[in-house]
Amino acid sequence: GENVEQHPSTLSVQEGDSAVIKCTYSDSASNYFPWYKQELGKGPQLIIDIRSNVGEKKDQRIAVTLNKTAKHFSLHITETQPEDSAVYFCAAYNNNDMRFGAGTRLTVKP
Amino acid sequence: GAGVSQSPSNKVTEKGKDVELRCDPISGHTALYWYRQSLGQGLEFLIYFQGNSAPDKSGLPSDRFSAERTGGSVSTLTIQRTQQEDSAVYLCASSRGALPDSPLHFGNGTRLTVT
Repeated sequence: GENVEQHPSTLSVQEGDSAVIKCTYSDSASNYFPWYKQELGKGPQLIIDIRSNVGEKKDQRIAVTLNKTAKHFSLHITETQPEDSAVYFCAAYNNNDMRFGAGTRLTVKP
Repeated sequence: GAGVSQSPSNKVTEKGKDVELRCDPISGHTALYWYRQSLGQGLEFLIYFQGNSAPDKSGLPSDRFSAERTGGSVSTLTIQRTQQEDSAVYLCASSRGALPDSPLHFGNGTRLTVT
C-alpha cells in the first residue's frame, strides 16, 4: 500500500519568512495530493490540493509543487503570518485509499 | 452551512468498557471516512463508506472495532473492550462523491481517553 513520509516534523520561522514542507510517496498510481491544516482542537481543513496531471498550483500565499518522477510534493507558504501556525498534513490518494503524512507543526514567530 | 458533526467531543472510559462514537456527515454527502489520530501522529485510516456499497474495513486494527452507517447518513464507530492504546482522537470525514472530485470535510473529532 501507499506510504507517505513528511518532513520536517517541526518548523519554526519568523513572521514574513517562507515555509516549505516536503512529502514523498511510494505508490506511483497515486493521483491526488491534498494538504490539510489542523488547528488545536479542530479537524483538518483542506487548504490546497493538486492532481497528478499538474506540476504546480498556487492560491495566494500558498503553493504546491509535484514531481511525479521523483514521487515527491511540497507545500510552500510565503509571507508567513502568526495565524499560519498549525499542524500541516500532506496526503496521497489512489482508488479510495487516502494516506496521510505524520504532520508538520509550523510555528510562526511574530 | 453545517459541517461534519461528531459527538461526543470528549469521552473518558475505563479499560474494558465499550464506547460508541457518532458522526453526522454533511447532508447529501455519500462518502464517509473514519480516521484515528494518535498523539503527534498522522491520520490512520480505519473504514470507508460509499453510498450503498460494502464498506472498506481494511483499516480497522482489530475485531474490537466496528462501524455502521445507517440510512446512508449517520455513522457510529464502536470500540468494544477498550484498551489504553485505543486512546486517540477519532476523526470522521465526508465528501459529496468519490475523491478526488469531491474534497474531504473533517469533523472536529472525538478525543477518547481510556483509563
